[in-house]
Amino acid sequence: GDSVTQMEGPVTLSEEAFLTINCTYTATGYPSLFWYVQYPGEGLQLLLKATKADDKGSNKGFEATYRKETTSFHLEKGSVQVSDSAVYFCAYSGGYQKVTFGIGTKLQVIP
Amino acid sequence: NAGVTQTPKFRVLKTGQSMTLLCAQDMNHEYMYWYRQDPGMGLRLIHYSVGEGTTAKGEVPDGYNVSRLKKQNFLLGLESAAPSQTSVYFCASSYLYGEETQYFGPGTRLLVL
Repeated sequence: GDSVTQMEGPVTLSEEAFLTINCTYTATGYPSLFWYVQYPGEGLQLLLKATKADDKGSNKGFEATYRKETTSFHLEKGSVQVSDSAVYFCAYSGGYQKVTFGIGTKLQVIP
Repeated sequence: NAGVTQTPKFRVLKTGQSMTLLCAQDMNHEYMYWYRQDPGMGLRLIHYSVGEGTTAKGEVPDGYNVSRLKKQNFLLGLESAAPSQTSVYFCASSYLYGEETQYFGPGTRLLVL
């Protein structure tokens, strides 16, 4: 069935380091892809999204490109800050179907 | 706008007790969802609603019931709580099912002893 795969972490980085969180999906059709972020003690909020192949979503310095050929939507940021410490969820929506979330990747950024 | 709010924020129950979690949204969204979040398992959909008066089962519906009597409210009930229902529960809403952004509440932490 449809699924989303991402590493659970935690990923620990020093401030200003480069971040990559991998996300791959298994789905039929042409899903929309999302990255959500959950800060400590809060609910999830949308970070960025892409609705078709080769689209790049971006927000707050984060980017992710919808790669249909590799069924991937990896999250990147060139220089992380302590305030980026959170749990990041990759997700997809196949249209009139439920949104499927990955297990979440915890990011810890140390000064 | 308050967005999505959840009541209560935290609750402790004994096995067999019942309770209702309340979710309210002020964005006039048609669609509402209940998820549970457990370590190593991410978010799993319990039930959802595509409009006032409608509900449908998600991935893990057993042991839960829901109601959507008003468009802005979506209630999640546990009739007889079990320790396996210890979790963090999130409500979300969206304008369109699946395609559009989901807006999440702050969560309810439930501990069943």
